[in-house]
Amino acid sequence: GENVEQHPSTLSVQEGDSAVIKCTYSDSASNYFPWYKQELGKRPQLIIDIRSNVGEKKDQRIAVTLNKTAKHFSLHITETQPEDSAVYFCAASKPTSYGKLTFGQGTILTVHP
Amino acid sequence: NAGVTQTPKFRVLKTGQSMTLLCAQDMNHEYMYWYRQDPGMGLRLIHYSVGEGTTAKGEVPDGYNVSRLKKQNFLLGLESAAPSQTSVYFCASSYGQGYYEQFFGPGTRLTVL
Repeated sequence: GENVEQHPSTLSVQEGDSAVIKCTYSDSASNYFPWYKQELGKRPQLIIDIRSNVGEKKDQRIAVTLNKTAKHFSLHITETQPEDSAVYFCAASKPTSYGKLTFGQGTILTVHP
Repeated sequence: NAGVTQTPKFRVLKTGQSMTLLCAQDMNHEYMYWYRQDPGMGLRLIHYSVGEGTTAKGEVPDGYNVSRLKKQNFLLGLESAAPSQTSVYFCASSYGQGYYEQFFGPGTRLTVL
């Protein structure tokens, strides 16, 4: 089955810096890659996603890049703010899997004021 | 719209007891999923359903059963709870048919003593 590895497990940055979280996946058939943000005690919420026919997608301060050849994708957060502090999860899904997501292990991002 | 709701929010069980977690969605979503979240392990799929009356096993199905008698509800049952089932349980739903975004419920924190 699909395996998703996420790095780093923890990331600490100063407010205003950029943060980058990387994920690799094992199944070349995967074609949908969402990123979820989970604040402490809350539910995961989708922040951005990308499909395999696109190499990059941007939404204000967040962007996701996808390298299908290398089977990895990354989340980029620019101009970080303290409210960006949360756990971030990447995931992967393939067309024949009824939308089932395989999640990475999560990255705890801390943004220091 | 309430979105995805889960009951109960918290529960403490003794080893061997049984219980049912209820997930409800009011978005007319076809697909529904049950995940468990454990520290350092991300979210892992327990069971899922692609429509009323259907269920299928996910990554970690042992010790759990599910039912989808109505399209809007997805029940997760623990017949004989074990300490290893202490976790936070999240339900999610998606429109299905190529629309992959999953919407999560608020979670149920279960402790098995």
